[in-house]
Amino acid sequence: RKEVEQDPGPFNVPEGATVAFNCTYSNSASQSFFWYRQDCRKEPKLLMSVYSSGNEDGRFTAQLNRASQYISLLIRDSKLSDSATYLCVVDSSGNTPLVFGKGTRLSVIA
Amino acid sequence: DAEITQSPRHKITETGRQVTLACHQTWNHNNMFWYRQDLGHGLRLIHYSYGVQDTNKGEVSDGYSVSRSNTEDLPLTLESAASSQTSVYFCASSSTGNRQFFGPGTRLTVL
Repeated sequence: RKEVEQDPGPFNVPEGATVAFNCTYSNSASQSFFWYRQDCRKEPKLLMSVYSSGNEDGRFTAQLNRASQYISLLIRDSKLSDSATYLCVVDSSGNTPLVFGKGTRLSVIA
Repeated sequence: DAEITQSPRHKITETGRQVTLACHQTWNHNNMFWYRQDLGHGLRLIHYSYGVQDTNKGEVSDGYSVSRSNTEDLPLTLESAASSQTSVYFCASSSTGNRQFFGPGTRLTVL
């Protein structure tokens, strides 16, 4: 099983729609979780950290399910500017670098 | 403002040449990382460093080397460039807490 798995998409949704991505991780000892956003031909940028209790930042909600070992990202009221690739990121354990998923591509259509 | 920069942004070289990509951060982060990103593979870790004089191999380190002589810089060297090393290279840094911040990337083409 790969350490971090994401549906590559693409998810094509109309403006204003709600869309959700899931990401599964294999290491039950993982402690830190993040969502990054990457625009075409640009560097990944931190979108939000994911906390055990779930957290919200405007139209974005991130949740963690430790029992099933997945994290999710919900985007409400999608904007054209949300079109990007969303990377799920997990720390593998201990003093080792983060593990990045391959990303889920989102296209928001007018 | 603190930042992380990479140079050059674009580079074309020939097979067999030595190439060095620069990464410089002004956040005073202890941790620095080099990734390559190719279609279908996502981000793959090449080398990383947790402080001055510390370097570690990532999952795709063959053909690459790094050195960390100060906190701000982690140059990546391709000893003898190969066409398979044509890629986009990202440098990143972090302090404690794991959140990594990325540089703008270097597009390298090996002919």
